[in-house]
Amino acid sequence: SQWGEENLQALSIQEGEDVTMNCSYKTYTTVVHWYRQDSGRGPALIILIRSNEREKRSGRLRATLDTSSQSSSLSITAAQCEDTAVYFCATEPSSSFSKLVFGQGTSLSVVP
Amino acid sequence: GPKVLQIPSHQIIDMGQMVTLNCDPVSNHLYFYWYKQILGQQMEFLVNFYNGKVMEKSKLFKDQFSVERPDGSYFTLKIQPTALEDSAVYFCASSLTGGVAEQFFGPGTRLTVL
Repeated sequence: SQWGEENLQALSIQEGEDVTMNCSYKTYTTVVHWYRQDSGRGPALIILIRSNEREKRSGRLRATLDTSSQSSSLSITAAQCEDTAVYFCATEPSSSFSKLVFGQGTSLSVVP
Repeated sequence: GPKVLQIPSHQIIDMGQMVTLNCDPVSNHLYFYWYKQILGQQMEFLVNFYNGKVMEKSKLFKDQFSVERPDGSYFTLKIQPTALEDSAVYFCASSLTGGVAEQFFGPGTRLTVL
């Protein structure tokens, strides 16, 4: 899981496996962004889920959001080597405007 | 897709010197951001900027930091003077709208302060 004082989590899976990454957040938000960051590059948005959506899908990606427990998850189905990256969740605190608060990130390695 | 460019990719300077990090945001975007990422740690918000003004800044945005975007050119982050703890990768981002909107990130500038 991401957030708080936790160190960056690292996961290693085989190609073709499914994987779920979890994120818990502290401040109230109406949206959770999931970004992936490839080595040496900036983060890129892969899926955005709003508080009125419990689940959102995009290709092999599936995001969930539970505002009551202040948690979100990102699942990748049938992971491929090119899914290897660091995945971050980010929230937009309702007390702020246009500010992303990132989690610690999960480093995912998909091996053949 | 839309790209944000950052110049330079790496910068090494001596403590106490001034440094300017340059960002070329997506052309029609109106909101601009700087984030700081220390190796192995999470990305942290520094500042956002709209219509020529800072809207919000974090505690990391020290008095030695300033941002501007003169005449629609580069969006810049200036640090004067630099300190050892300023060593990090600085990411610029831009978005078309504010609030809930996709922020497009540049590749980052790695700043090393000696």
